[in-house]
Amino acid sequence: QVQLQESGPGLVKPSETLSLTCTVSGGSTISYYWTWIRQPPGKGLEWIGYIYDSGSTDYNPSLKSRVIMSMDTSKNQFSLKLLSVTDADTAVYYCARLTVTYSGFDYWGQGALVTVSS
Amino acid sequence: DIQMTQSPSSLSASVGDRVTITCRASQSISSNLNWYQQKPGKAPKLLMYVASSLQSGVPSRFSGSGSGTDFTLTISSLQPEDFATYYCQQSYSNPLTFGQGTRLEIK
Repeated sequence: QVQLQESGPGLVKPSETLSLTCTVSGGSTISYYWTWIRQPPGKGLEWIGYIYDSGSTDYNPSLKSRVIMSMDTSKNQFSLKLLSVTDADTAVYYCARLTVTYSGFDYWGQGALVTVSS
Repeated sequence: DIQMTQSPSSLSASVGDRVTITCRASQSISSNLNWYQQKPGKAPKLLMYVASSLQSGVPSRFSGSGSGTDFTLTISSLQPEDFATYYCQQSYSNPLTFGQGTRLEIK
């Protein structure tokens, strides 16, 4: 059974960098799009972007200038960095797996609440 | 970006009711539409993919239909565990986008 688990600081100061890591267990990282999605408190879902096992990435244009994703296949981990955060970046951040046929996000992490506050 | 609009935004229904949620895309997305269920404090769960395919393990009372710009998710007979928020999501083109959600509440 594939499992995903987010980890990282729950509190980040404004203008600093949000960093999260997702660890994948129970399955390979090969041939999937490894995705970050966020959900501000009480609001809907926003796709941040994804990284493929080759290292290629695609980001939401609304966040592209501030997002960096990376992957360590030897550790079955992928990571998100969001630069220069503001209050608007406060959200639950989910990692998820997207099939190469784009047939939905079939596995999700439990989510990590990140609060931006001084 | 492709905008996804769900209706209604909220819905009250009773156990045993048949419920339909609608999702409309701002342009044609063929059948590249997925549905998720989210319960409070939990991650979304994939219910349907490519509009009408039932994800493994999802009860058969859930069904999906549509193509182009208009899609529906139907629950044939509501169960207590179905009260949740439902999201549609298009997989036609990046950026991948979600509907705003439909909150299904107990009447």
